[in-house]
Amino acid sequence: DGGITQSPKYLFRKEGQNVTLSCEQNLNHDAMYWYRQDPGQGLRLIYYSQIVNDFQKGDIAEGYSVSREKKESFPLTVTSAQKNPTAFYLCASSTGTATYEQYFGPGTRLTVT
Amino acid sequence: GENVEQHPSTLSVQEGDSAVIKCTYSDSASNYFPWYKQELGKRPQLIIDIRSNVGEKKDQRIAVTLNKTAKHFSLHITETQPEDSAVYFCAATRIKAAGNKLTFGGGTRVLVKP
Repeated sequence: DGGITQSPKYLFRKEGQNVTLSCEQNLNHDAMYWYRQDPGQGLRLIYYSQIVNDFQKGDIAEGYSVSREKKESFPLTVTSAQKNPTAFYLCASSTGTATYEQYFGPGTRLTVT
Repeated sequence: GENVEQHPSTLSVQEGDSAVIKCTYSDSASNYFPWYKQELGKRPQLIIDIRSNVGEKKDQRIAVTLNKTAKHFSLHITETQPEDSAVYFCAATRIKAAGNKLTFGGGTRVLVKP
């Protein structure tokens, strides 16, 4: 089940620590996205990147940071400034041409105590 | 920005009956409306999508309808089966060349009772 992968599946951190979530894709997609999923609130966009070395804030970017140094990789750092970081984080990618389907990774469940 | 409202939040149907989920959007410039299905513990997957130049699209037991004037679109599942039990999300965006910022609805948890 290749395509887009996220690691780890579960992550536990103490409050006040920064943590980086991994997202890798081998689909040759230009665009990549990070979403946060909370119960009953659907998927909310954190950051997205249309091309290497460029990214834009989504609807809930505060307390998060990203980088896009390689086409295949789009890591998300949850900083200590994020007030409620415990959530399920989903990464996605898309070609942006011909089809607009976003392909999702399996997700990382982050618990901060 | 775009805002998408989705109703109902939960839906329980008897196997074989139909299920309908409705979404409204706020940005009249939105022209692409996908539906994603997320089974328990799995990643969301696209099941059907529609563009604003089309009023209806069908794929076997699922169909989506779009009313641009009223700014709402709906997912219809006919002859529901237990494997249709999942959370369904609608979304809307204005298509760009690459990197489309989807705005998702809050999701509908569908339970198909055998």
